[in-house]
Amino acid sequence: QKEVEQNSGPLSVPEGAIASLNCTYSDRGSQSFFWYRQYSGKSPELIMFIYSNGDKEDGRFTAQLNKASQYVSLLIRDSQPSDSATYLCAVNGASSGGSNYKLTFGKGTLLTVNP
Amino acid sequence: NAGVMQNPRHLVRRRGQEARLRCSPMKGHSHVYWYRQLPEEGLKFMVYLQKENIIDESGMPKERFSAEFPKEGPSILRIQQVVRGDSAAYFCASSREVAEKLFFGSGTQLSVL
Repeated sequence: QKEVEQNSGPLSVPEGAIASLNCTYSDRGSQSFFWYRQYSGKSPELIMFIYSNGDKEDGRFTAQLNKASQYVSLLIRDSQPSDSATYLCAVNGASSGGSNYKLTFGKGTLLTVNP
Repeated sequence: NAGVMQNPRHLVRRRGQEARLRCSPMKGHSHVYWYRQLPEEGLKFMVYLQKENIIDESGMPKERFSAEFPKEGPSILRIQQVVRGDSAAYFCASSREVAEKLFFGSGTQLSVL
């Protein structure tokens, strides 16, 4: 059973701080990793993806991947109240014999940025 | 460039009725995926379709649920004889190629009375 685990939160940070969101996954053969943002009652919105070990930066967002530790994280710098949402970690498992189109999602971490 | 379009946005059905959920993928996308999100649960894969073909329906309940993606028109997720446990948000996503980034529609919130 492939699993993706996230701390459900809520994670509360003050405006301007760095928010750190973490995710672990069980399938060592996983190839692709995604972070989605979901506002309450809305659809998931892709904000970052990462395929290789290390860091990937896009504006205020940095995704970090450590395949040896089966760990992926999302850092949000200069957090804004508009960043308040649930952040979903998703993993695409392409291990041997597995399907590479099926995303396994964590339950999400609720982030609250306080003005 | 319109995104993934789903309708209806909200659907209310009584137990035993049928629910039909529609999804039009983004322009240029030929891969469609349906996911279900139950309260306090993560998104769960249901089915993956390409035009006129069901590629993987391993996440679909064996009974009452079916999906199609005809040559012309939107993809349809059909739930027959709905029960209260079917109440959830149903999201459709599409991608240009298989295993590429998924873009989600706004979802259909199904409520079964």
